[in-house]
Amino acid sequence: DAGVTQSPTHLIKTRGQQVTLRCSPKSGHDTVSWYQQALGQGPQFIFQYYEEEERQRGNFPDRFSGHQFPNYSSELNVNALLLGDSALYLCASSWDSTTGELFFGEGSRLTVL
Amino acid sequence: GENVEQHPSTLSVQEGDSAVIKCTYSDSASNYFPWYKQELGKRPQLIIDIRSNVGEKKDQRIAVTLNKTAKHFSLHITETQPEDSAVYFCAASKGFQKLVFGTGTRLLVSP
Repeated sequence: DAGVTQSPTHLIKTRGQQVTLRCSPKSGHDTVSWYQQALGQGPQFIFQYYEEEERQRGNFPDRFSGHQFPNYSSELNVNALLLGDSALYLCASSWDSTTGELFFGEGSRLTVL
Repeated sequence: GENVEQHPSTLSVQEGDSAVIKCTYSDSASNYFPWYKQELGKRPQLIIDIRSNVGEKKDQRIAVTLNKTAKHFSLHITETQPEDSAVYFCAASKGFQKLVFGTGTRLLVSP
């Protein structure tokens, strides 16, 4: 059973560019959350998708947007990249039930030059 | 919004000693408190969690305690081993959705 898979694992962009990160949830999971983890910091919640809709959003600007597809996979898009967007972007999936446990992918490390 | 504070930021112990990491949260409505271990370059992995209707939970060498009145929860690791060396994060949430993480504790266990 594959866990949460993310792509790409590493990428380098320049300021002002746009990036799309992808996530496939763990089998049987229907909820996908995205987190940003800056170096030396804890993950910060960006948003959560369920039934193809954004269910909850953290304190991130509109440059950060997402999408969930009918097969529960998800994309994170960041427009007009800033140097401060350099971070590890983690996708986590869960069952929309009372279990609560999030399963994290290995992340996509974005470097903005 | 919810805020989670975590202490200490670094913790060095000798193999076999115990380690304690403490977190406080601000939102009294939080009801789920997981702990994650993150090794260098790896994803966070859940090691133990506790819900607000429980005061303590233990899993082999790891235990978590929760004091809802003080809005405080702690991770206890006994008989530490070098492979316990990692960064540990506490988190809090309402209803298992948005997790708010602490700033992390770097644990170093020396042989």
